[in-house]
Amino acid sequence: GAGVSQSPSNKVTEKGKDVELRCDPISGHTALYWYRQSLGQGLEFLIYFQGNSAPDKSGLPSDRFSAERTGGSVSTLTIQRTQQEDSAVYLCASTNNYQPQHFGDGTRLSIL
Amino acid sequence: DAKTTQPTSMDCAEGRAANLPCNHSTISGNEYVYWYRQIHSQGPQYIIHGLKNNETNEMASLIITEDRKSSTLILPHATLRDTAVYYCIVRVADSNSGYALNFGKGTSLLVTP
Repeated sequence: GAGVSQSPSNKVTEKGKDVELRCDPISGHTALYWYRQSLGQGLEFLIYFQGNSAPDKSGLPSDRFSAERTGGSVSTLTIQRTQQEDSAVYLCASTNNYQPQHFGDGTRLSIL
Repeated sequence: DAKTTQPTSMDCAEGRAANLPCNHSTISGNEYVYWYRQIHSQGPQYIIHGLKNNETNEMASLIITEDRKSSTLILPHATLRDTAVYYCIVRVADSNSGYALNFGKGTSLLVTP
């Protein structure tokens, strides 16, 4: 069946621009997670959604980062006024109760 | 979540079994052992998980010691495509509360021809 889909797969933008990253979870999965992975580093948790609500936003690095989820399905992660330190691979995972998280292949974001 | 300890790197000859160890001596009774791997330029891939019984699926086997303080992931016939970083993660099962995964540094497995 279809896995977690993320778009775009690659994004290059200039410092100061806003970017939107999209995640399509596995159909029926109620929980959705965003992580990021900087070059050579481990995964850093950003935000978690249960349905359309985000009970845990503790990992968002600054107020330039926001995320929303609509219809209990697609989620977008928005980074405003991008900085060079935002360059990373942004990964999305989805799951249902008591099931393992399944990941997309991420969006590789490069800030020039 | 309980802390895990894995070797930094391992080599394995193609066609042989790859045995990847993980220590998790502070594991709690309701925590599972999960294994993921990440192949270069891809997202993490779920492999297998278990609570206390040994588990097997089409990808691998998971052997958990009786005291649950360590486990071993076994890839029975490693191929070059199994070259990846393997992560052992200990945590409670996902629920409505949600738990982020803590990947740590993992074991870099190199399968050689």
